Amino acid sequence: EVQLVESGGGLVQPGGSLRLSCAASGFTFSSYAMHWVRQAPGKGLEYVSAISSNGGSTYYANSVKGRFTISRDNSKNTLYLQMGSLRAEDMAVYYCARDQNPTFYDSSGIFDYWGQGTLVTVSS
Amino acid sequence: DIQMTQSPSSLSASVGDRVTITCQASQDISNYLNWYQQKPGKAPKLLIYDASNLETGVPSRFSGSGSGTDFTFTISSLQPEDIATYYCQQYDNLPSMYTFGQGTKLEIK
Repeated sequence: EVQLVESGGGLVQPGGSLRLSCAASGFTFSSYAMHWVRQAPGKGLEYVSAISSNGGSTYYANSVKGRFTISRDNSKNTLYLQMGSLRAEDMAVYYCARDQNPTFYDSSGIFDYWGQGTLVTVSS
Repeated sequence: DIQMTQSPSSLSASVGDRVTITCQASQDISNYLNWYQQKPGKAPKLLIYDASNLETGVPSRFSGSGSGTDFTFTISSLQPEDIATYYCQQYDNLPSMYTFGQGTKLEIK
């Protein structure tokens, strides 16, 4: 059974940093691109970042470029999102999601499994 | 950036009704469109990919159609468990450019 479990969320002050983790199981993690998607309280979904299956390519939404870094450790089956210079507008539930198609190195654009999400609160 | 305009933003329907949600892209995205269902407090769930392909395990009352800029999501016979918010998502171009529609909240009348 495919499982994605996020952790690392919490309360952080504006300008602070936080690292999110997503532990994957039930599939060959190293074969799939992975993604982060976020949802501000009471709002819709916003795409954040992607990383290719071997970590060689990364992509970021303009809203987080230069402040967030996506990475992965295929030996630990874990995806990460290092978040810095956090702003009030970054407050959201952050979901990791698996790309549907392992034959796509970068991304098929289809997210077939999602974690339960971890809440990031940015407040002084 | 490609903008996705989803309508309506909310919808109330009765059990057994046929429900339709539309999504319009600001430019041609071919069939690079997915539909997700999100129930309160839960993660989104993939229902339809590539505009019209039903994800494995998803009931056949859900369907999608369209290409280019205009897309439609349909529930043929609304069930109580279908109460959720539905999102379209385009994936034309690089991942940095992926965008979601603003969502349609579906309620039972």
